[in-house]
Amino acid sequence: AQTVTQSQPEMSVQEAETVTLSCTYDTSESNYYLFWYKQPPSRQMILVIRQEAYKQQNATENRFSVNFQKAAKSFSLKISDSQLGDTAMYFCAFMKRGDNTGKLIFGQGTTLQVKP
Amino acid sequence: DAGVIQSPRHEVTEMGQEVTLRCKPISGHDYLFWYRQTMMRGLELLIYFNNNVPIDDSGMPEDRFSAKMPNASFSTLKIQPSEPRDSAVYFCASSTYRATEAFFGQGTRLTVV
Repeated sequence: AQTVTQSQPEMSVQEAETVTLSCTYDTSESNYYLFWYKQPPSRQMILVIRQEAYKQQNATENRFSVNFQKAAKSFSLKISDSQLGDTAMYFCAFMKRGDNTGKLIFGQGTTLQVKP
Repeated sequence: DAGVIQSPRHEVTEMGQEVTLRCKPISGHDYLFWYRQTMMRGLELLIYFNNNVPIDDSGMPEDRFSAKMPNASFSTLKIQPSEPRDSAVYFCASSTYRATEAFFGQGTRLTVV
């Protein structure tokens, strides 16, 4: 069975600074996908970034980038130039290749507070 | 498209009552997922459907929980009888085959008193 662990329940960062959220996972699968989802106070789950395990290049989406270390089973999210709108809970998620993209295993989440 | 639509947005009910949560997936999506979010357990997959057929209900916690998808545009999650420990946010999500992303509704916050 797959597990996803986010060891930082809460974090804070000053506006315009950089913050890194940690995620580790456990799986015996060799092909899979990893995701970061954002959940703002509105409760809406928003996909931030997606990484395919067979791609060595780290995914990037504007101010969001990941550090994917497959051997270490680590998948951290870096947010650069933090903005007040980044305040949210962030979830790391795992999907086995071959499964549908909605069949996700989530970590417990990290609440991020961006301070002005 | 309006996205995945869930109703109601909030539900407060008394212990022992039947509760029905509703979901309308994005048109054309053939996968539908029900998740539950609690502080203790985070986000858990309860059940998912493909082409209106339940594929995996291993996450459904008890027989008190049931889910149906009578057609491609509607699904329900029912709890009967409800208990205080069922209090949570319930999310519906939809997707397509080979999609790179699932789309979530805004969730229903259920409070059982």
